[in-house]
Amino acid sequence: SQQGEEDPQALSIQEGENATMNCSYKTSINNLQWYRQNSGRGLVHLILIRSNEREKHSGRLRVTLDTSKKSSSLLITASRAADTASYFCATDATGTASKLTFGTGTRLQVTL
Amino acid sequence: DTGVSQDPRHKITKRGQNVTFRCDPISEHNRLYWYRQTLGQGPEFLTYFQNEAQLEKSRLLSDRFSAERPKGSFSTLEIQRTEQGDSAMYLCASSLVTDSLDLTGGNEQFFGPGTRLTVL
Repeated sequence: SQQGEEDPQALSIQEGENATMNCSYKTSINNLQWYRQNSGRGLVHLILIRSNEREKHSGRLRVTLDTSKKSSSLLITASRAADTASYFCATDATGTASKLTFGTGTRLQVTL
Repeated sequence: DTGVSQDPRHKITKRGQNVTFRCDPISEHNRLYWYRQTLGQGPEFLTYFQNEAQLEKSRLLSDRFSAERPKGSFSTLEIQRTEQGDSAMYLCASSLVTDSLDLTGGNEQFFGPGTRLTVL
């Protein structure tokens, strides 16, 4: 079963704009991870944020986590055409031996 | 390349045939996971290994599915008597898990490129 839900399901922006994706989940977590997937390919790990962290940065990526609201957001700044992909959040729920539960993904389209 | 590798990348088979996929994790990783992803959905957990021990299997893993990790390194996933509903991308991931990492909130899972199975 899918624990998380990403919002929006699809997002279309122009190159240079920022893209924000949101993820909601249901249970307590050890960490939350964001992945990117290009069409028909494997998942690329982007960033992990632990339950005791509130914000994390990696290059053009900024992730926030609000455990009280059970939600996270991924911000991609100054987007590029190469950022076009599906983005998934995945939760490592407490007591689940780190098996990840994924959301349904946000499909991001960045146009020139 | 020191990432997770999977073989084959694509497999087309006829209904009723058996198929086997292989996953080679990152060498120092002690934990290996299998996930399945259908079109338009996120991956779903199937099973995982801690070293050579298979510690959990999802209810998605019917008795036609079997996975092994005989020496705690590579893993195989076999599907017997394939059905059209088995068509999906099968993803393998690995991670390094230690007691100290567990206490500090876990660690990243790194995924392979996946094996896309098509059952005709």
